[in-house]
Amino acid sequence: GIQVEQSPPDLILQEGANSTLRCNFSDSVNNLQWFHQNPWGQLINLFYIPSGTKQNGRLSATTVATERYSLLYISSSQTTDSGVYFCAVYHDYKLSFGAGTTVTVRA
Amino acid sequence: NAGVTQTPKFRVLKTGQSMTLLCAQDMNHEYMYWYRQDPGMGLRLIHYSVGEGTTAKGEVPDGYNVSRLKKQNFLLGLESAAPSQTSVYFCASSLQGGIFGNQPQHFGDGTRLSIL
Repeated sequence: GIQVEQSPPDLILQEGANSTLRCNFSDSVNNLQWFHQNPWGQLINLFYIPSGTKQNGRLSATTVATERYSLLYISSSQTTDSGVYFCAVYHDYKLSFGAGTTVTVRA
Repeated sequence: NAGVTQTPKFRVLKTGQSMTLLCAQDMNHEYMYWYRQDPGMGLRLIHYSVGEGTTAKGEVPDGYNVSRLKKQNFLLGLESAAPSQTSVYFCASSLQGGIFGNQPQHFGDGTRLSIL
């Protein structure tokens, strides 16, 4: 099956800092989603992004499907940004998840 | 607008017991999915359904059964629970999936299942 690798596995930020999370995948994909799993375990859809760049407030994402990677940018981080960020790719009509990046934002 | 609703939210079982997890969606979505999430890992697909009356195996189907008798409901059953099935279970739905994956999946809040 397809391999989805996220980096870094853990990230500690000071409030107000910027960061970039990366997702690499081993095969061509039909689409890609970024999720935030909050400390209560809920999975929140952040972006549905097959290619190009999208922005939503302080978050933005870029997918370069031809080079098999996607990036998630967090700007001016806040403590509420803490949690696990997952990249998931659509391949062979199934969604495959990476292991996630655990982000901790300190006040 | 409830979206995807999972019941129960928490459950503790003894080894060998059976139970059914219910997933209900009110978005008229065609596709539904069951995933499990283990500590430090992403979600893995257990079973999925591409429409009422259909089911198919995912990545980790052993020990689970599913049914999709109504379009809005997708049931996940454990016939004889084992400690290895202790996990958080997520249900998701999408308007359509197919080979294009051109609709996002929407997730429920999860069910925490512990098997002693």
